[in-house]
Amino acid sequence: DSGVTQTPKHLITATGQRVTLRCSPRSGDLSVYWYQQSLDQGLQFLIQYYNGEERAKGNILERFSAQQFPDLHSELNLSSLELGDSALYFCASSTPRGGEETQYFGPGTRLLVL
Amino acid sequence: AQSVTQLGSHVSVSEGALVLLRCNYSSSVPPYLFWYVQYPNQGLQLLLKYTTGATLVKGINGFEAEFKKSETSFHLTKPSAHMSDAAEYFCAVIGQAGTALIFGKGTTLSVSS
Repeated sequence: DSGVTQTPKHLITATGQRVTLRCSPRSGDLSVYWYQQSLDQGLQFLIQYYNGEERAKGNILERFSAQQFPDLHSELNLSSLELGDSALYFCASSTPRGGEETQYFGPGTRLLVL
Repeated sequence: AQSVTQLGSHVSVSEGALVLLRCNYSSSVPPYLFWYVQYPNQGLQLLLKYTTGATLVKGINGFEAEFKKSETSFHLTKPSAHMSDAAEYFCAVIGQAGTALIFGKGTTLSVSS
């Protein structure tokens, strides 16, 4: 158990819909990262938040957005869903140490768009 | 830009045999390198990491990796495979300027008895 929790574990929805994925980082970790794992793209970094502020952006679509709340939990919002958005979405957390930090991953949310 | 190449999407070994999973990286800065393992229907778990110092890094479950700057490689090895090692393994790099992990495409390890 990494200490990172993600809800829900599974999500099935239809094209055009909007969903919210939730992540609670390990106790004390200020950074939260979101990654997408799909068969064709592999594991891709989406976005990072640090202590409530956006820190870095990766290959995140404009239809996707995220935020980190004062209690440090984070939400990833996916809107106007397409079939190709079906994937496993991971959240990771860390305590920044100049790049040496270990990112601890949650169990993921499996999203299926029908 | 940093990138990672994992040679071989699928590696099969017999129980007790040597495990060798290959990883080459490209980085414009001294890299921080990681190996993660993903068991079916689970998240990623850190096996080991190289940041600075000793180039031979020991991790959990008997795995180790050696950072070879001249070869831009960070291959993962285990002397004797166990059935429980069957999983997908990901090599990742992080540049000192950034914090996001850049992953290779992964190598699925199968272990037969």
